[in-house]
Amino acid sequence: DAKTTQPTSMDCAEGRAANLPCNHSTISGNEYVYWYRQIHSQGPQYIIHGLKNNETNEMASLIITEDRKSSTLILPHATLRDTAVYYCIVRVRVLGNQFYFGTGTSLTVIP
Amino acid sequence: DSGVTQTPKHLITATGQRVTLRCSPRSGDLSVYWYQQSLDQGLQFLIHYYNGEERAKGNILERFSAQQFPDLHSELNLSSLELGDSALYFCASSVGLTGQGAGGSLSNYGYTFGSGTRLTVV
Repeated sequence: DAKTTQPTSMDCAEGRAANLPCNHSTISGNEYVYWYRQIHSQGPQYIIHGLKNNETNEMASLIITEDRKSSTLILPHATLRDTAVYYCIVRVRVLGNQFYFGTGTSLTVIP
Repeated sequence: DSGVTQTPKHLITATGQRVTLRCSPRSGDLSVYWYQQSLDQGLQFLIHYYNGEERAKGNILERFSAQQFPDLHSELNLSSLELGDSALYFCASSVGLTGQGAGGSLSNYGYTFGSGTRLTVV
């Protein structure tokens, strides 16, 4: 699986949009971009995933650049409960392939 | 409640002992994955089972073993415990082999994690 690079930490004001970047410059054509988050010591939670097109669900939006070398997770109106570590993972959807979690971005939402 | 149940939530044991962690996947999920998360290592993939068969191994020590039973619940056995084995142990489940659902809402994609077992070895 391709390696991803994320900032170690970020702050965001409550109510504002949180934009979390991820670089995956060596991504292959068949690798998907997934985002998970982990609120302190809880199990990681799936947020969103995509291949080429931008995606939106009830939690967030995922913007993938045209060359697919980077992506941005957008939490449109951050709340204090969004404080967590956010993991960007690229992964091929094949038999037995796992999710490998890096160090992620620690997002702190400030009141 | 994610639908993935892990027991016990907390476990304190002495070095050299053996423990068993249990995971019940979401109803209908055939794949179970085990991860270890210690303070200085992040989330480390240990092992994957699908419908009772081992499918992939990650950074799992020889002192550790796992199995998945016919009712699809899984157990992770940790033996000859050392202080460094103290960690959070997470189990995740998914419907298929690749972590994808058969279709339906996006919430069926990827893994669903349990709330973990916190193991403390003293």
